[in-house]
Amino acid sequence: QSVLTQPPSVSGAPGQRVTISCTGSSSNIGAGYDIHWYQQLPGTAPKLLIYGNSNRPSGVPDRFSGSKSGTSASLAITGLQAEDEADYYCQSYDSSLSGPVLFGGGTKLTVL
Amino acid sequence: EVQLVESGGGLVQPGGSLRLSCAASGFTFSSYDMHWVRQATGKGLEWVSGIGTAGDTYYPGSVKGRFTISRENAKNSLYLQMNSLRAGDTAVYYCAREHSSPDWYFDLWGRGTLVTVSS
Repeated sequence: QSVLTQPPSVSGAPGQRVTISCTGSSSNIGAGYDIHWYQQLPGTAPKLLIYGNSNRPSGVPDRFSGSKSGTSASLAITGLQAEDEADYYCQSYDSSLSGPVLFGGGTKLTVL
Repeated sequence: EVQLVESGGGLVQPGGSLRLSCAASGFTFSSYDMHWVRQATGKGLEWVSGIGTAGDTYYPGSVKGRFTISRENAKNSLYLQMNSLRAGDTAVYYCAREHSSPDWYFDLWGRGTLVTVSS
């Protein structure tokens, strides 16, 4: 069964830079499919944060950026703010029986 | 206002059935592929089903044969018929719009409706 693996948690102090990794396989990221990222603030629905590996929807601050290489992807947040404390999920298309939509397990970002 | 509003959640016994609805507004519903995504309490997101504009449907193995996604474009509505429900199906169910086919990512989400499967 295909999976997208994320660290359960990351943390950083206000103003710092943090990164969240998303590791996939040859049936998703490694096959060239795009990675997308969602932010879920406590008690709310997910919100699209990054699409197509590195693109930001209108209204998303440029403190958020995404990248992809090989079978992995990363979400970077610079100038960390208290309001960034949330859960973050990566997502991709998957060509295996697990698909076609696959989410990572999610990463809890704590702003210290 | 562009939005999705889910309804139909509630408490159901194991083995029972439930039908969820999602009302879309503010955009041309018939032009978009639509999906259901669920989230158990304290857990991550799990894709549950998708339907294309032509009515083509997609399911993961965990729900295939038990859940049926459908749409009624004239009513700007998406549905999820859930049968043979199990405790493991307990979750908040979100309706989500796919940005553009076949982008396979979701640019609009509803607030969700809670489904509890328990005796």
